[in-house]
Amino acid sequence: DTAVSQTPKYLVTQMGNDKSIKCEQNLGHDTMYWYKQDSKKFLKIMFSYNNKELIINETVPNRFSPKSPDKAHLNLHINSLELGDSAVYFCASSQVGLGSYEQYFGPGTRLTVT
Amino acid sequence: DQQVKQNSPSLSVQEGRISILNCDYTNSMFDYFLWYKKYPAEGPTFLISISSIKDKNEDGRFTVFLNKSAKHLSLHIVPSQPGDSAVYFCAASARNFGNEKLTFGTGTRLTIIP
Repeated sequence: DTAVSQTPKYLVTQMGNDKSIKCEQNLGHDTMYWYKQDSKKFLKIMFSYNNKELIINETVPNRFSPKSPDKAHLNLHINSLELGDSAVYFCASSQVGLGSYEQYFGPGTRLTVT
Repeated sequence: DQQVKQNSPSLSVQEGRISILNCDYTNSMFDYFLWYKKYPAEGPTFLISISSIKDKNEDGRFTVFLNKSAKHLSLHIVPSQPGDSAVYFCAASARNFGNEKLTFGTGTRLTIIP
């Protein structure tokens, strides 16, 4: 039983294309996140959603648009892909308000833009 | 401005010995600290955490120490096992009424030598 799953695991595409990454969690958590791990292995938050509402948007270009159809899903759509978007994207989830901040991560999606 | 720093990109330890991974932070608002372990092609896995009201938390072979005055925390693994070989990320969070986010360090690659 995968707690946080992402599809696809690998994505290779050309500059200018539009692509989506899907994320689902079956932990019953109310908050979901997208992180980007760049070529320097630096893991940085992009967005967080709580109960389908955008909470955190870390000055990510508006080519990136998260969509949360329900609290178990948080998808990431990227328009007009650029070379610099090549990275590993991780989805995560947590249950806010329990006094601890553990987040549980998916396996990642490696995006390569050529 | 990197608020969480792991100054050792790599560490090699003999099997059975103690592994000590270090992490420094600059933001005095951080009140919760976590360690994650990451294997290649997988997402980060939560390992252990500590609240700023404590100075030590232990879970089996893993112990995290927090020195608030020095803004320093460390993860001790004893005894080290080959399966501990992975990249370890330190992360920190500040209470923000549901807007909590994790700020990660750049990771330390731990290699356990059999």
